[in-house]
Amino acid sequence: GAVVSQHPSRVICKSGTSVKIECRSLDFQATTMFWYRQFPKKSLMLMATSNEGSKATYEQGVEKDKFLINHASLTLSTLTVTSAHPEDSSFYICSASSGQGHTEAFFGQGTRLTVV
Amino acid sequence: GQNIDQPTEMTATEGAIVQINCTYQTSGFNGLFWYQQHAGEAPTFLSYNVLDGLEEKGRFSSFLSRSKGYSYLLLKELQMKDSASYLCAAMDSNYQLIWGAGTKLIIKP
Repeated sequence: GAVVSQHPSRVICKSGTSVKIECRSLDFQATTMFWYRQFPKKSLMLMATSNEGSKATYEQGVEKDKFLINHASLTLSTLTVTSAHPEDSSFYICSASSGQGHTEAFFGQGTRLTVV
Repeated sequence: GQNIDQPTEMTATEGAIVQINCTYQTSGFNGLFWYQQHAGEAPTFLSYNVLDGLEEKGRFSSFLSRSKGYSYLLLKELQMKDSASYLCAAMDSNYQLIWGAGTKLIIKP
C-alpha cells in the first residue's frame, strides 16, 4: 500500500504553547486528507477533512481556531494545536486519500500529544 | 442516528479461530472496513466489503450482510502477534466513515 508519514510520533508540550503535526504522502498525491483524534479505548473521531488548496471542513464540535489545518500541497497537510491544554492530550492520526472519500485512504503512524 | 456496535473485548487461544462481529446503522452505505490497531499505533487496513458475502485473505476473512447490517472478521490460526484492537468502520452515503470503538483481542498461549 501507499505510505503516509506523520511527524512527530510523540510530543510533549507545555500548556499554552502550540504544536504542529505534519502528515505527508510519500508516493502518491493526496487530494484529500483526514485528521482524527482517538482517546484511549474509544473509536476514532473525525476532526476535519481537507482538500488540497481549499479550507478544511470541520466536524461539529471541533474548534477551527484551535485546530488549524493547512493542506497547501498534494503531499502535505499540517494540523496545529494552538494554545494547547491538558485536555488536548490525545492520539492524533491523519489519513490521506488519492480518490474520493475514504476508500483508498492510508493512515499515518499517529502522534501522541501530551500537554503538561 | 448512525451507530456501530462491536464487542469490547474477546479472548482466544493461540492456533484457534475467532470471529469478531460488527453491526452497523448508517445513512446510506458505501462499504465496511476492518482495521487492526496495535496499542499506540495507527490502524492498518485489513479488508473492505461492499457486496454481500465472504472475502478471504490468507488467515483473515471478512463477511458482509447488507440486509442485516452485519459484518464479521474471522481470524484463523491465531498467533500471539494478532493481539490487537480490531476496528469496524462503515462508510455512509456521504463517504464519511463511522467508526466502532474497537474490539480488543487477547490471545493466550
